[in-house]
Amino acid sequence: GQNIDQPTEMTATEGAIVQINCTYQTSGFNGLFWYQQHAGEAPTFLSYNVLDGLEEKGRFSSFLSRSKGYSYLLLKELQMKDSASYLCAVRSLGASGTYKYIFGTGTRLKVLA
Amino acid sequence: EPEVTQTPSHQVTQMGQEVILRCVPISNHLYFYWYRQILGQKVEFLVSFYNNEISEKSEIFDDQFSVERPDGSNFTLKIRSTKLEDSAMYFCASSEAWQVQETQYFGPGTRLLVL
Repeated sequence: GQNIDQPTEMTATEGAIVQINCTYQTSGFNGLFWYQQHAGEAPTFLSYNVLDGLEEKGRFSSFLSRSKGYSYLLLKELQMKDSASYLCAVRSLGASGTYKYIFGTGTRLKVLA
Repeated sequence: EPEVTQTPSHQVTQMGQEVILRCVPISNHLYFYWYRQILGQKVEFLVSFYNNEISEKSEIFDDQFSVERPDGSNFTLKIRSTKLEDSAMYFCASSEAWQVQETQYFGPGTRLLVL
């Protein structure tokens, strides 16, 4: 089957670094996405990995290991506005040759002053 | 910056009624998606749409759901006979292409409440 696991909640201090882990099991893997979602709002795209390694984008970095079914999102220099849910989503090739997207339950990050 | 728009922002309906949720994807995007998110739960993929037909659909997308692109700009999700468990936030998303580094842009969502 297809499954994505990520921690439910994390807390960190303003200015610190936090790593949010995601493990997945899927067939036909074709990319892993991280989204940020503030309460009551739509998800917004943060990063995308399809090959192993680290992708850096300003304060945000995302890492992927396909052999381990593992990814993490690294947030540096945390700001209060980073308090949000962070969603890990896996894209896989569906039966008709097009893509399906499976989302994790999200990790609710609280940034404390 | 171009964005995906959705109407209405909120919809309240009686169980058994039909609802149509509307989306205007970003104008040069070719791939369209519907997701739902029940309150406090994860985002769930419903369906993807390309070239005027469904590309992929999930187990949730049963016969009571349908999608349509009635004109060059709108993309709609119809729920034929709503059930209490259809209450959720429904997000539309679009992307320019689905290969390689495709980015999906989500609309603000329609909050559907079925009574």
